[in-house]
Amino acid sequence: GAGVSQTPSNKVTEKGKYVELRCDPISGHTALYWYRQSLGQGPEFLIYFQGTGAADDSGLPNDRFFAVRPEGSVSTLKIQRTERGDSAVYLCASSPFGGGIYNEQFFGPGTRLTVL
Amino acid sequence: KQEVTQIPAALSVPEGENLVLNCSFTDSAIYNLQWFRQDPGKGLTSLLLIQSSQREQTSGRLNASLDKSSGRSTLYIAASQPGDSATYLCAAPQGGSEKLVFGKGTKLTVNP
Repeated sequence: GAGVSQTPSNKVTEKGKYVELRCDPISGHTALYWYRQSLGQGPEFLIYFQGTGAADDSGLPNDRFFAVRPEGSVSTLKIQRTERGDSAVYLCASSPFGGGIYNEQFFGPGTRLTVL
Repeated sequence: KQEVTQIPAALSVPEGENLVLNCSFTDSAIYNLQWFRQDPGKGLTSLLLIQSSQREQTSGRLNASLDKSSGRSTLYIAASQPGDSATYLCAAPQGGSEKLVFGKGTKLTVNP
């Protein structure tokens, strides 16, 4: 596609519910990243995929958060037993390389998650 | 641990003025640094990627510089326009990894 796309653009859920957020990276990009942005803050890293495998999941806040990328393209971020503190904008990015000096990350429009 | 700081937090200028946004980072062992623009309620738009071997990178009215030894980068915007109003974010990699560490951004307002 022309850019990174994310669905849904907005998600409102109740405390304790399960949610899935989807990211479609730029076609051909091998690396995919998830970040979370709270109001007035810069994005914070959650997890990074190289191909199908999670190369770095050190940013996931706890075991309620999980992400997959089964075919090395689309990724889904899954949040179990949502809490009000999970409310934020979840951003996805992709890059054509796995790393190095040319590793420019391109971001999607984000999913705004609100937990009531 | 990489920490990124952006100063000022907000900046308001009249149209046509040249301006500089500042970014500092604590871990200078980086291979690149990226500047982004974020409009309200939107995602991030990549503006410039500066590789560690470069000292400057230019795109139109934007010029970014990188000084690894001092842990600083600047984004220079020439002849500012109201359409430049947005939040500008600087991001540097966490040492030895692919994850970006972001500053809190500088909110720029260009007044007509």
